[in-house]
Amino acid sequence: QVQLVESGGGVVQPGRSLRLSCAASAFTFNTYVVQWVRQAPGKGLEWVALISSDGSESFYADSVKGRFTISRDYSSDTVHLQMNSLRPEDTAIYFCGRREAGSGRAGPVDYWGQGTLVTVSS
Amino acid sequence: DIQMTQSPSSLSASVGDRVTITCRASQSISTYLSWFQQKPGKAPKLLIYAASTLRHGVPSRFSGSGSETDFTLTISSLQPEDSATYFCHQSYRYPLTFGGGTKVDIK
Repeated sequence: QVQLVESGGGVVQPGRSLRLSCAASAFTFNTYVVQWVRQAPGKGLEWVALISSDGSESFYADSVKGRFTISRDYSSDTVHLQMNSLRPEDTAIYFCGRREAGSGRAGPVDYWGQGTLVTVSS
Repeated sequence: DIQMTQSPSSLSASVGDRVTITCRASQSISTYLSWFQQKPGKAPKLLIYAASTLRHGVPSRFSGSGSETDFTLTISSLQPEDSATYFCHQSYRYPLTFGGGTKVDIK
């Protein structure tokens, strides 16, 4: 069945880096857009970043632009989120989700991973 | 950035009640609007996309309506398993944004 599995979370000091991964399985990876959203403890959902199905375009929330980079590896069907210059306010559960590219931006983000926790603290 | 304002922020209703949650966009987003349900410690679950299209497998008591700036999620007959937080989400323009959420409790 369709799966998205996040990994790479952990505890990191402010200013350091972390790379999250979102491993996809049981679907045609290169026909899906992938996005990351996050949820700080006790807070709502915040959209973080998105990468197009062919990897040619990426978009970011203002709060992470210039610090985070989203990329995808077609050899392993994985999307990465490189997070640099981490701040305490980046502490959150990070979820990845997929949307079929052919469905357009109004299409369904129909599968999500279970999330990975990032804690930024000294 | 497009701001998404949800109301109410929380509500309490009885089983069988009709529940309505509203989401207002700060500018027109056509029908680029999704609704998600989230339970504690779980990933978001898609209910509605393109403002009014019910995702396959989602109970028909959930429905969505609206366009441009004003949108509504309706639960026609609230069930115990509908206790959750509901979020609207615009995908019309980057950066994409979510509403602040509506927590639904069962009386």
